Amino acid sequence: KNQVEQSPQSLIILEGKNCTLQCNYTVSPFSNLRWYKQDTGRGPVSLTIMTFSENTKSNGRYTATLDADTKQSSLHITASQLSDSASYICVVDMDSNYQLIWGAGTKLIIKP
Amino acid sequence: EAGVAQSPRYKIIEKRQSVAFWCNPISGHATLYWYQQILGQGPKLLIQFQNNGVVDDSQLPKDRFSAERLKGVDSTLKIQPAKLEDSAVYLCASSSDLPEQFFGPGTRLTVL
Repeated sequence: KNQVEQSPQSLIILEGKNCTLQCNYTVSPFSNLRWYKQDTGRGPVSLTIMTFSENTKSNGRYTATLDADTKQSSLHITASQLSDSASYICVVDMDSNYQLIWGAGTKLIIKP
Repeated sequence: EAGVAQSPRYKIIEKRQSVAFWCNPISGHATLYWYQQILGQGPKLLIQFQNNGVVDDSQLPKDRFSAERLKGVDSTLKIQPAKLEDSAVYLCASSSDLPEQFFGPGTRLTVL
């Protein structure tokens, strides 16, 4: 079954600290892996999109990595800010029918 | 560039009533998506349009949900009759010929 699992479910860190969110997937074959940020009460906003051949992609303080062999991705946030408080969702594009498989997200809370 | 517009932002109805949501995608975006996002979960695709044609509606509960995009621009999603389990945020997204999807703010539906 094609699934995307994220961990941890929720995370609380202090402002200024770094953190890493994990995504494991069983989707195969896939074309893209995406990370979205979703603020409370808002729609998701794209952070990064990686093809299956890419290993890393950065967007400011956000860096996503992809290991297609182990079917794992991570999102690293550097020097966290209060505005980083949000849910972060990992999404995998199925190569066969372009369907997106969404994870449940990690809820990140940044405390001052 | 204006983003994806959705209305209403919030809707409260009683079970067995009908409700309709409206979405105006980003100008020029041929592909339009409707998602259902239940609290604590990732979005679930309900229907995908390419211009005014349906590409994927495999997860749309067709006995109560319907959607249309008559002129290939804006779209409406209707639920008739609503059930308690339909309480969720309904997200509309659009994309051009690139994989990135742009989301609207969503409509939060509460069914009592």
